[in-house]
Amino acid sequence: DTEVTQTPKHLVMGMTNKKSLKCEQHMGHRAMYWYKQKAKKPPELMFVYSYEKLSINESVPSRFSPECPNSSLLNLHLHALQPEDSALYLCASSPPGQAYEQYFGPGTRLTVT
Amino acid sequence: GDSVTQMEGPVTLSEEACLTINCTYTATGYPSLFWYVQYPGEGLQLLLKATKADDKGSNKGFEATYRKETTSFHLEKGSVQVSDSAVYFCALDTGGFKTIFGAGTRLFVKA
Repeated sequence: DTEVTQTPKHLVMGMTNKKSLKCEQHMGHRAMYWYKQKAKKPPELMFVYSYEKLSINESVPSRFSPECPNSSLLNLHLHALQPEDSALYLCASSPPGQAYEQYFGPGTRLTVT
Repeated sequence: GDSVTQMEGPVTLSEEACLTINCTYTATGYPSLFWYVQYPGEGLQLLLKATKADDKGSNKGFEATYRKETTSFHLEKGSVQVSDSAVYFCALDTGGFKTIFGAGTRLFVKA
């Protein structure tokens, strides 16, 4: 299995909703990442987990809450989002010792109404 | 700080034309360099990489050579296809978990 899967593919939520994005990989990778990508822009790093511990938080607002329950799974919990949070949310993973070689999932297209 | 600059798009080519997308970088130390491709509606895919000076990365007919003297990593393909239409991101990694991406160059290939 050489892919990163993300669910759901699309999500529409109101500003008072709570929802979660899910990311899964079974490649034995021990680093997992969340990125946010706005239209016609490069991905922006949000969070990095290494060996299930949060290593990097790029000053992301607390309405985004990451969770890494085990080495294969990464969640992003969403609460009280704003319309400007609408974007493509990408998950990625990388092999041990090769943080530069990231494998990306297809993303979740999030719309906040 | 470290940065990547790539040519602005969109780039529009006819099928079988030659492609060059310019990429230059600024970095301290010895970064690894990458090209990622993003097809419409999809995530990013690693297209090719080079981890040291003079390395040539290649994949699917695309090539790029790590030129330390000109701090460049230009993407080339001799004959593009309609299926190559996508956004191409040049990127660098200086160690750690942070990848620095260029702004992206959109390529349209016409039949």
